Amino acid sequence: NAGVTQTPKFQVLKTGQSMTLQCAQDMNHNSMYWYRQDPGMGLRLIYYSASEGTTDKGEVPNGYNVSRLNKREFSLRLESAAPSQTSVYFCASVGNGNTEAFFGQGTRLTVV
Amino acid sequence: QQQVKQSPQSLIVQKGGISIINCAYENTAFDYFPWYQQFPGKGPALLIAIRPDVSEKKEGRFTISFNKSAKQFSLHIMDSQPGDSATYFCAAKYSGAGSYQLTFGKGTKLSVIP
Repeated sequence: NAGVTQTPKFQVLKTGQSMTLQCAQDMNHNSMYWYRQDPGMGLRLIYYSASEGTTDKGEVPNGYNVSRLNKREFSLRLESAAPSQTSVYFCASVGNGNTEAFFGQGTRLTVV
Repeated sequence: QQQVKQSPQSLIVQKGGISIINCAYENTAFDYFPWYQQFPGKGPALLIAIRPDVSEKKEGRFTISFNKSAKQFSLHIMDSQPGDSATYFCAAKYSGAGSYQLTFGKGTKLSVIP
């Protein structure tokens, strides 16, 4: 049982480049989330998807786009990366009982 | 606007001591208060959680104390061990219609020294 899988684990981008962070869960969860974690800032919600086919903005959506490809997969895209987007990104999912959030192991992104 | 305030930012405790981390919230619509534990290089994982109709919940060495009138809750780690060294996040879930959303505190880095 893999849980929540994120790829890649590490990435270095140049300013202005684009990339997509991938996330997949195998727990048949309806809701999926993208957070970013910065030192001293905790976890801040970027975007979420309550169910397949729906997405909504979180606290810090600027500079990001998302796609809920199917029930399993939720991707995060940076169209034109900026140094301010250097962070650790976590994907999470929550089951229908709406209690525990399961997190992936994170993607450490550096934009130079 | 920070809806969940967590303190302290860092904490050093001797092995066998009690670690205490505090959180305060503003939104009375929150209805679920989990604590997450995160080890370096890993994603956060649920440690223990409480609902506001309960004043205390204990699981092993970990206890949540909840004060609804003060809008505060805290995590107590009894007999702290070096293996407890991690970053701890309190969180709160909004009970309104729509999907589940967690608001996190900024985290507390706990170091338990032998």
